[in-house]
Amino acid sequence: NAGVTQTPKFQVLKTGQSMTLQCAQDMNHNSMYWYRQDPGMGLRLIYYSASEGTTDKGEVPNGYNVSRLNKREFSLRLESAAPSQTSVYFCASSDRLVLIEQFFGPGTRLTVL
Amino acid sequence: GDSVTQMEGPVTLSEEAFLTINCTYTATGYPSLFWYVQYPGEGLQLLLKATKADDKGSNKGFEATYRKETTSFHLEKGSVQVSDSAVYFCALNSGGSNYKLTFGKGTLLTVNP
Repeated sequence: NAGVTQTPKFQVLKTGQSMTLQCAQDMNHNSMYWYRQDPGMGLRLIYYSASEGTTDKGEVPNGYNVSRLNKREFSLRLESAAPSQTSVYFCASSDRLVLIEQFFGPGTRLTVL
Repeated sequence: GDSVTQMEGPVTLSEEAFLTINCTYTATGYPSLFWYVQYPGEGLQLLLKATKADDKGSNKGFEATYRKETTSFHLEKGSVQVSDSAVYFCALNSGGSNYKLTFGKGTLLTVNP
């Protein structure tokens, strides 16, 4: 039982490049989330998926797209990376029935030059 | 909207000192409250939670009591250890169909031997 896994762990991009961050969970959770963590800002929600087949914007969705590929996987795409997107990205999941506890992956550290 | 305010860090303590990290919140409805901990280089882990007024969450010697009258959820530990050095996040979920967590900015705790 790996919990929430994220790939890659580290990535360096040049401005304008695109990439997809992958997230998978093996806990049969319905809801999944993408956050970014910046110094002094805490965690801010980018997008979330309350259940398979649905996605919604969070606080800071601009510049990102998401895909809920199936119940296990939720990917985050940067179409044209900008230096302002340099951050640590965390994926999380939760069981809809419980509603209240989120389980986090180890994070992806992204640098955009 | 929902918001969480934590005391500014960093906090530096000696081993065996008493710890308090203040957290206050603004939320609609009857939120659930959480403390998450992030050890260096890792993702967030749930430390403790409380789902209704006057509930006390506890784990690993840490405690926090849900105070509705003061809208607070302060984290305390009687005797900290070097291994408690981490970033601590207060968070809330306002419940209902809202699956999202709202986080405070985090408080960095360093415990010296």
